[in-house]
Amino acid sequence: GEDVEQSLFLSVREGDSSVINCTYTDSSSTYLYWYKQEPGAGLQLLTYIFSNMDMKQDQRLTVLLNKKDKHLSLRIADTQTGDSAIYFCAFSGAGNNRKLIWGLGTSLAVNP
Amino acid sequence: DAGVIQSPRHEVTEMGQEVTLRCKPISGHNSLFWYRQTMMRGLELLIYFNNNVPIDDSGMPEDRFSAKMPNASFSTLKIQPSEPRDSAVYFCASSLDTGELFFGEGSRLTVL
Repeated sequence: GEDVEQSLFLSVREGDSSVINCTYTDSSSTYLYWYKQEPGAGLQLLTYIFSNMDMKQDQRLTVLLNKKDKHLSLRIADTQTGDSAIYFCAFSGAGNNRKLIWGLGTSLAVNP
Repeated sequence: DAGVIQSPRHEVTEMGQEVTLRCKPISGHNSLFWYRQTMMRGLELLIYFNNNVPIDDSGMPEDRFSAKMPNASFSTLKIQPSEPRDSAVYFCASSLDTGELFFGEGSRLTVL
């Protein structure tokens, strides 16, 4: 079945770049997403990429998609303490934009 | 817009009691989702509705769980009887038929 894997923890120093990785099994997804969950809050869409793109940049965020290896990454430049959160990758299941398949989330800790 | 509104934010109850969680989606959104989040299993989709109709309830754990959406602005998730293993954060999310889900702040349930 469809599966999404993420490493559970990442720790970086303030000002460094963070790279959060995700691998998936379903190659038929149209959209791949990154969501952010701050402590005690719901998830919030951070960015997304179409499956026909290799890269998307949005201010400090860069999303890279390697379709051959089924690998998605999120790079956060100049990481700040406010970026400390759990980051989830998700993708839409085959033919269904409503039902997302979720990773377990990567907890990012930013140390001053 | 006030966003997705969930209540209660916190509930502590005893095993065997009935629990009702409530959700008001964003006005105009036509899809509504109930998720459960735990440390062990991450984010699990329980059920989702489209235009108030349940589309996929394959994630509902067992008959103790039920969900309704009597109109476009209200949904409930009911657990009867509750058990300690139901302790989790329950999220409601809504969307306009895309993968951009808008989450509520969650209802943290503790069953003693």
